[in-house]
Amino acid sequence: KQEVTQIPAALSVPEGENLVLNCSFTDSAIYNLQWFRQDPGKGLTSLLLIQSSQREQTSGRLNASLDKSSGRSTLYIAASQPGDSATYLCAVQAGNMLTFGGGTRLMVKP
Amino acid sequence: GAVVSQHPSRVICKSGTSVKIECRSLDFQATTMFWYRQFPKKSLMLMATSNEGSKATYEQGVEKDKFLINHASLTLSTLTVTSAHPEDSSFYICSARDGKGAVAEAFFGQGTRLTVV
Repeated sequence: KQEVTQIPAALSVPEGENLVLNCSFTDSAIYNLQWFRQDPGKGLTSLLLIQSSQREQTSGRLNASLDKSSGRSTLYIAASQPGDSATYLCAVQAGNMLTFGGGTRLMVKP
Repeated sequence: GAVVSQHPSRVICKSGTSVKIECRSLDFQATTMFWYRQFPKKSLMLMATSNEGSKATYEQGVEKDKFLINHASLTLSTLTVTSAHPEDSSFYICSARDGKGAVAEAFFGQGTRLTVV
């Protein structure tokens, strides 16, 4: 059974810092990995999708990497802003199923 | 990206009544949609996979008679919480994939906050 773990569970940083969120998964037989953002009481916004054959994806200040063999992914956020405060979820897809990590609650302080 | 619309965003109902939640893919066709439940400060738990034109596939521990799923068209899936009780209060989110196969990206609705009083 696939298990996805996100570390840290919570993170508080001052505005402007670069930061890294970690995601690990136990079964490397995945199709893709996706990073999402969730604001309180809201749905999920897709940030980046990395196919199993890819190593990384970039969108603006976000960069996600994937090392499938070691079962790890990182989400790098450059020059963090208060508006980045949210919960970040990673999810891996195998077959028809997405398995989510527990999320990292990020707080960026002005 | 593709848009998935979920309605209503919030609903309060009395214990014993039924509540229907709609999930629509607005600009793409989705043969498969997914329904998740999320408890406070927890991650998403897959409840069931909704397949257009056929029966939904429920995850272990999810009561299919309690959570009725209908996927009557390629753009609409509904989740009906029947005879709701306070323990059904939760945040429900639907998802659909834009495209077929494993490489398709998943998009999520805005979620529905259900409160049963």
